[in-house]
Amino acid sequence: GENVEQHPSTLSVQEGDSAVIKCTYSDSASNYFPWYKQELGKGPQLIIDIRSNVGEKKDQRIAVTLNKTAKHFSLHITETQPEDSAVYFCAASIGGADGLTFGKGTHLIIQP
Amino acid sequence: NAGVTQTPKFRVLKTGQSMTLLCAQDMNHEYMYWYRQDPGMGLRLIHYSVGEGTTAKGEVPDGYNVSRLKKQNFLLGLESAAPSQTSVYFCASSYVANEQYFGPGTRLTVT
Repeated sequence: GENVEQHPSTLSVQEGDSAVIKCTYSDSASNYFPWYKQELGKGPQLIIDIRSNVGEKKDQRIAVTLNKTAKHFSLHITETQPEDSAVYFCAASIGGADGLTFGKGTHLIIQP
Repeated sequence: NAGVTQTPKFRVLKTGQSMTLLCAQDMNHEYMYWYRQDPGMGLRLIHYSVGEGTTAKGEVPDGYNVSRLKKQNFLLGLESAAPSQTSVYFCASSYVANEQYFGPGTRLTVT
């Protein structure tokens, strides 16, 4: 089955700097790659996603890039703010009904 | 629009007791999922449903049963709780197979 590796497990950046979280996947048939943000005590929230026919997608301060050849995708957050502090999860799917395979998460800490 | 709701929010069980977790969604989604989240393990799929009256096993189904009698509800049952089932349980739903929306979670402790 699919295996998703996520790095780093913890990332600390200064407020205003950029943050990058990276994921690799194993199944070349995967075609959907979402990113979720989870705040303490809450459920994961979908923040951005990308499909395999697109190399990059942006939404305000966040962007996701996909390299199908290398089987890796990344989340980029620019001009980080205190409210960006959370755990971020990447996931991958081949589009089947059995859903998403998640990475183990990255705890992003924004230092004031 | 409440989205995905879960009942209860917290529960403490003794080993061997049973309980049912309820997930409800008001978005008319066909697909519903149950995950468990453990420290350092990410989210792992327990069971899922592709429509009313259907269920299927996910990655970690042992010790759990599910039912989808109504399109908007997905129930997760523990027949005989074990300490290894101490976890945070999340329900999710989606209109198509990929874009899943999660509930707030149920924190279960089995002593």
